[in-house]
Amino acid sequence: NAGVTQTPKFQVLKTGQSMTLQCAQDMNHEYMSWYRQDPGMGLRLIHYSVGAGITDQGEVPNGYNVSRSTTEDFPLRLLSAAPSQTSVYFCASSYSGQAIQETQYFGPGTRLLVL
Amino acid sequence: AQSVTQPDIHITVSEGASLELRCNYSYGATPYLFWYVQSPGQGLQLLLKYFSGDTLVQGIKGFEAEFKRSQSSFNLRKPSVHWSDAAEYFCAVVGRAAGNKLTFGGGTRVLVKP
Repeated sequence: NAGVTQTPKFQVLKTGQSMTLQCAQDMNHEYMSWYRQDPGMGLRLIHYSVGAGITDQGEVPNGYNVSRSTTEDFPLRLLSAAPSQTSVYFCASSYSGQAIQETQYFGPGTRLLVL
Repeated sequence: AQSVTQPDIHITVSEGASLELRCNYSYGATPYLFWYVQSPGQGLQLLLKYFSGDTLVQGIKGFEAEFKRSQSSFNLRKPSVHWSDAAEYFCAVVGRAAGNKLTFGGGTRVLVKP
């Protein structure tokens, strides 16, 4: 198992550009989520999905779109990048998202710089 | 709403010394509590978790944490630190009504001196 994979590892964008951060998992997990990590603020939930075709907003959803067409993939789209979106982005997954006890598995992260 | 506070942003400890990282949470009922570690350039790895029962929880890499309801705390400890423990540590909480949505503290960065 590769676990949770994220691409790219690092990206530089100009303000206004769009891009998609990729996330994939091979553990047949139903629950997937995106977090952003900023210094001193820990990780904050952007969007999450409890299964294919189902997504919902987290704590900081503005400026981001998601979709979940397959169980394996959960891409995060920035439609018009802003400097405030400079951050490290983590994707995570867990078995069902229905049981609080489930362990979430995190990908290695994507470091994004918006100029 | 649930929240987590990690009062110490940085901690420096000598190799072989003991380590304690503080975590305070705010939640109306008993939460589910987690500690994650993030090594440089890596994703987050679960160290341990508390749901119920024994308030002293053992985790991986020789870490343990103690849940104290009266103090709303879930502090992480390790008796003897190794240089490989240099990392950032995050405390997180999930409330019973929050599904699987974790709320993280701001993190504590641990530096280990030789």
